[in-house]
Amino acid sequence: GNSVTQMEGPVTLSEEAFLTINCTYTATGYPSLFWYVQYPGEGLQLLLKATKADDKGSNKGFEATYRKETTSFHLEKGSVQVSDSAVYFCALSDRMDSSYKLIFGSGTRLLVRP
Amino acid sequence: NAGVTQTPKFQVLKTGQSMTLQCAQDMNHEYMSWYRQDPGMGLRLIHYSVGAGITDQGEVPNGYNVSRSTTEDFPLRLLSAAPSQTSVYFCASSYFADKDRDYGYTFGSGTRLTVV
Repeated sequence: GNSVTQMEGPVTLSEEAFLTINCTYTATGYPSLFWYVQYPGEGLQLLLKATKADDKGSNKGFEATYRKETTSFHLEKGSVQVSDSAVYFCALSDRMDSSYKLIFGSGTRLLVRP
Repeated sequence: NAGVTQTPKFQVLKTGQSMTLQCAQDMNHEYMSWYRQDPGMGLRLIHYSVGAGITDQGEVPNGYNVSRSTTEDFPLRLLSAAPSQTSVYFCASSYFADKDRDYGYTFGSGTRLTVV
């Protein structure tokens, strides 16, 4: 079945450091890939997406490239800010799945210190 | 503001009680769904609906019922609350015709439920 694995947290960085959060997936169909962000006390917000191999999603300085050969979708940001502190979820949606569900990783908490 | 509205934000129930979590969206999304979020497990799909009058089960449907009488509303009912249903519940909606999943989902802010 389909699944998403992302690195355990928490990840603690100093402001302006480089961020990588690893995400790998297993899918039998044709997945679209997403990163969602959850700020404290809030729901999930779509951060970026990629719908086919080699697509790069980007938003607010974050980037992730859909790598079919390595089944990965790692999240990166060149210089993090304190305001980026949140929980980040990698997710996939399989076009062949009629339930349209999102399959989530377990989430990675990011803490950015001033 | 347009989006997905969930009520209540917090709820404490006693074992065996029933209640309904409300979800409403004003974006004319055909697709609506309920997820539960548990520590270290991400989010898991409970029930979903692809349009008014149509509902189906997700990964973890036991102990929950849903109905979809209008496009806007998708309430989740707990029939007889159990401590294992202590969780944070999220409602999410999307365009059904989004075959490439290009739009992603819009999530509500969640309901934190504790069953004692």
